[in-house]
Amino acid sequence: NAGVTQTPKFRVLKTGQSMTLLCAQDMNHEYMYWYRQDPGMGLRLIHYSVGEGTTAKGEVPDGYNVSRLKKQNFLLGLESAAPSQTSVYFCASSPPQGHSGEQYFGPGTRLTVT
Amino acid sequence: EDQVTQSPEALRLQEGESSSLNCSYTVSGLRGLFWYRQDPGKGPEFLFTLYSAGEEKEKERLKATLTKKESFLHITAPKPEDSATYLCAVKEGFKTIFGAGTRLFVKA
Repeated sequence: NAGVTQTPKFRVLKTGQSMTLLCAQDMNHEYMYWYRQDPGMGLRLIHYSVGEGTTAKGEVPDGYNVSRLKKQNFLLGLESAAPSQTSVYFCASSPPQGHSGEQYFGPGTRLTVT
Repeated sequence: EDQVTQSPEALRLQEGESSSLNCSYTVSGLRGLFWYRQDPGKGPEFLFTLYSAGEEKEKERLKATLTKKESFLHITAPKPEDSATYLCAVKEGFKTIFGAGTRLFVKA
């Protein structure tokens, strides 16, 4: 049982390049989330999904797109990377409403945009 | 605007020196308050969930309490391995709002 895994662990992009971050969970969780974490700030929600085929915007969605084609996977895309997107990105999953609501996090992806 | 504020930003303790971390929140409809631990270079790890004022949860040297406007994470006789960033979060609907965290350093 691997929990939540993220690929890649590190990445350096040049401004304007695109990339996709992959999140996978093997806990059969319905809900999945993408956050970014910046120094001195809390985790900020980018996008989330409450089930396969559904996505919704979080607090800071601009510049990002997501897809949830399979229940176990949640992809985060950057179409044209900007230096402001330099951050650590965390994926998380949780069981559906009615559960206690805690989230299980992946190890993170450190992204640098130059 | 919903907010979660944690204090202090950083806390340095000697081993065995008990203390408390604070999390104050303003949300229109609290559906759970969470504490997480985050070690450097890793993702947050769930510790506790609290739902109503007066509720308490304990785990080893940690005890979390909840009032109507804030939560405390009490650390009793901390050890160096308790050094980490502790995050507080509140749940509102589908979303969870995180505080910036308190970095705890425990010196042997």
